[in-house]
Amino acid sequence: NAGVTQTPKFRVLKTGQSMTLLCAQDMNHEYMYWYRQDPGMGLRLIHYSVGEGTTAKGEVPDGYNVSRLKKQNFLLGLESAAPSQTSVYFCASSYGAVSIYEQYFGPGTRLTVT
Amino acid sequence: AQSVTQLGSHVSVSEGALVLLRCNYSSSVPPYLFWYVQYPNQGLQLLLKYTSAATLVKGINGFEAEFKKSETSFHLTKPSAHMSDAAEYFCAAGAAGNKLTFGGGTRVLVKP
Repeated sequence: NAGVTQTPKFRVLKTGQSMTLLCAQDMNHEYMYWYRQDPGMGLRLIHYSVGEGTTAKGEVPDGYNVSRLKKQNFLLGLESAAPSQTSVYFCASSYGAVSIYEQYFGPGTRLTVT
Repeated sequence: AQSVTQLGSHVSVSEGALVLLRCNYSSSVPPYLFWYVQYPNQGLQLLLKYTSAATLVKGINGFEAEFKKSETSFHLTKPSAHMSDAAEYFCAAGAAGNKLTFGGGTRVLVKP
């Protein structure tokens, strides 16, 4: 049982490049989330999904897109990277329903945009 | 909108001393409340959660938190700090919309 995994762990992009971050969970969770973590700002929600085929915007969605084609995977895309997107990105998942807010986190992806 | 405030971005304690991390939330309706811990270069792990069953919540590694509705607070404590408690701690609140709102985090340094 791997829990929540993220690929890649580190990435350096040049301004304007694109990339996709992959999140996978093996807990059969309905809900999945993408956050970014910046010093002093805690975690801020980018996008989330309440089930396969659904996505919704979070607090800071601009510049990002997501897809949830399979229940176990949640992809985060950057179409044209900007230095302001330098951050640590965390994926999380939760059961939904009774434990709807208890989230399980992946190890993070550290992204640098130059 | 829900907001979470953690007082103090850094806290330094001596090994064996009390650890107290402060968290206040804003909501007209008591939310679900959580404390997470993040060790260096790792993701967040759940320490404990409040879901209205009991106001004093015990978590892992000797931590506990008390929900005080009158003060809209959910402070985290541990009676005796250990070197392994050095980490960043996040308070979070959940409310309508299946989402969590996080505080800014408090980094704990434990001195020998």
